[in-house]
Amino acid sequence: DAGVIQSPRHEVTEMGQEVTLRCKPISGHDYLFWYRQTMMRGLELLIYFNNNVPIDDSGMPEDRFSAKMPNASFSTLKIQPSEPRDSAVYFCASSGDRGHTEAFFGQGTRLTVV
Amino acid sequence: AQSVTQLGSHVSVSEGALVLLRCNYSSSVPPYLFWYVQYPNQGLQLLLKYTSAATLVKGINGFEAEFKKSETSFHLTKPSAHMSDAAEYFCAVTSGADGLTFGKGTHLIIQP
Repeated sequence: DAGVIQSPRHEVTEMGQEVTLRCKPISGHDYLFWYRQTMMRGLELLIYFNNNVPIDDSGMPEDRFSAKMPNASFSTLKIQPSEPRDSAVYFCASSGDRGHTEAFFGQGTRLTVV
Repeated sequence: AQSVTQLGSHVSVSEGALVLLRCNYSSSVPPYLFWYVQYPNQGLQLLLKYTSAATLVKGINGFEAEFKKSETSFHLTKPSAHMSDAAEYFCAVTSGADGLTFGKGTHLIIQP
C-alpha cells in the first residue's frame, strides 16, 4: 500500500478563494482523521470519520470549514472562503481503529493564504 | 478529556549522549500513549506505543519509553544520540474513544 496520500502537497491561494484538500486513506482502514498543524497551536484534531460517517467535528474552527467522505477511499476538507489565518499544514491520517493501533499520516498539505 | 504536556520545546544533546524527551499526560481513563517523530516537510511516523501491556515499550531506531502511572509520565529515551535523530517529536494520548491529542512537540537538536 502506498500509505495515506494527500493532494496537493502545497497550495497558495488568495484570501476569499475556496480551497479543497484531498485525502486517500489506506485501504481497509475504518477511521480517517483531519489534523491542522501551526506553530502557535501545534497539532489539532479537526474532525474524524468512522466508516465514512463524521463522528466528531468539534475541532472544526468555523463554518467556513467543511469535510466530507463520500466513500471509503476519499475525503475532502474544504475551506470557503479562505483567510490568511487558515495558513497551516493540514494532515490526513487513517487508522484501523480510533487510536489503539497506529495512525498512519499523510505527508500533509501546506496551505498558504495570501 | 485528556491532555499532554511536553517539557522543553527544544532539547539539544551531543552525538552519542543520552536522549531524554519528557511527556506528562492527563487522562480520566486508562490512556493509550504514543510517540511520533516528524522530519522536515514530512508527515508523522510512529516511534512506539503503549496500549496497557508492558510498561517499558521499545520502538524503532533504538528509542524506548516507560509508562509510569504514578507519575503520569511517558518519557522517551535513547541511550546514544545519532545525527539522524534530529527531528520534531510528539507525544500523544487517546482514551480509545476519540482521536489523538498531541503535545506541542519537542525539537531535538544533535550537536556533533
